[in-house]
Amino acid sequence: GQNIDQPTEMTATEGAIVQINCTYQTSGFNGLFWYQQHAGEAPTFLSYNVLDGLEEKGRFSSFLSRSKGYSYLLLKELQMKDSASYLCALPYGGATNKLIFGTGTLLAVQP
Amino acid sequence: DADVTQTPRNRITKTGKRIMLECSQTKGHDRMYWYRQDPGLGLQLIYYSFDVKDINKGEISDGYSVSRQAQAKFSLSLESAIPNQTALYFCATSDEGRGSTDTQYFGPGTRLTVL
Repeated sequence: GQNIDQPTEMTATEGAIVQINCTYQTSGFNGLFWYQQHAGEAPTFLSYNVLDGLEEKGRFSSFLSRSKGYSYLLLKELQMKDSASYLCALPYGGATNKLIFGTGTLLAVQP
Repeated sequence: DADVTQTPRNRITKTGKRIMLECSQTKGHDRMYWYRQDPGLGLQLIYYSFDVKDINKGEISDGYSVSRQAQAKFSLSLESAIPNQTALYFCATSDEGRGSTDTQYFGPGTRLTVL
């Protein structure tokens, strides 16, 4: 089966860097997704990692270590609008089109 | 216009009532999904459909049914609503599975309250 573990909440300061961790267990790895979700809104896609290493997209980067069952999302130059939940999600069922989501990490960015 | 739309956006209903939530998409995707989200539990898959003739149960399908009327439309029904079905419901779509192109795109959500 699949299991995802993320911290429930984090707080960071505007302009700083924050790292949101996700550890997982899965019977067949097929990549890992990160989504951002503002309160009461739809989740939106941030990144997809299937190979080990760091992928950078502007202020957001995502890292994967398959051997350690570990990923993190790195947010740089934090802005107030980055206050949101960050969801780690794993595909399952032998393909990548069904996802199991972690419970999310609620990030609060303070002035 | 939004690519994935849901109606209604908010709904309050009573126990035992039948209710239908509708989802439409203009992305041209074959694959559509229904999720519910409860505080502290994350998103849970209710049903999914890979094309008009293909409907599959997700993790928590009991008490729900779906209809795929067309490639662009996927409806979720609660035949007899109960209070623990109070939640935020999301529809999502994705393209045919090829790694990162399996990205799911979510609608704005329907907030359902069952009294």
